[in-house]
Amino acid sequence: QKEVEQNSGPLSVPEGAIASLNCTYSDRGSQSFFWYRQYSGKSPELIMFIYSNGDKEDGRFTAQLNKASQYVSLLIRDSQPSDSATYLCAVKSQGGSYIPTFGRGTSLIVHP
Amino acid sequence: EAQVTQNPRYLITVTGKKLTVTCSQNMNHEYMSWYRQDPGLGLRQIYYSMNVEVTDKGDVPEGYKVSRKEKRNFPLILESPSPNQTSLYFCASSPGAGYGYTFGSGTRLTVV
Repeated sequence: QKEVEQNSGPLSVPEGAIASLNCTYSDRGSQSFFWYRQYSGKSPELIMFIYSNGDKEDGRFTAQLNKASQYVSLLIRDSQPSDSATYLCAVKSQGGSYIPTFGRGTSLIVHP
Repeated sequence: EAQVTQNPRYLITVTGKKLTVTCSQNMNHEYMSWYRQDPGLGLRQIYYSMNVEVTDKGDVPEGYKVSRKEKRNFPLILESPSPNQTSLYFCASSPGAGYGYTFGSGTRLTVV
């Protein structure tokens, strides 16, 4: 059973701080990694994806991947109250059908 | 506007009464999936489709049926709904393997 683990939180950070969200996965054959943001009562929205070891930056978001340690992280710089949401990590293995496994999500609260 | 459209948004039904939740995407995506989301359990995949007439079971397929007769549509059918199928359902589509999903707005189903 492929597993994707996230701390459920809530992770509380002050406005302007860096929020760090972590995700570990069990399948060493995983190749594609995604971060989704889900506001309460809304659908998940893709915000980042990463395929290679290292960092990938997009605006205030940075995804970090370490395949040797089997973890992927999402950093949110200059956190804003509007970033308060649940962040879902999704992982897809190499080959086969496209069946991403989702973590249960981490709740982030950014307080003014 | 590129989107995944689900209907209805809200549905209350009685045990055993067949229902269909429709899903349509206008992005010419190959892949489509149905998920259910329950508190504490996260997103769980019900069925997925990699192309027209190609469907397969996800993690929780019992009690559900799907069909993919056209590329754009992927309806979810509950032949005999039961209260344990009360949940928030999401349809999602993707251009192909290795890409993230675009989610519909969700259908909140209550079976009494």
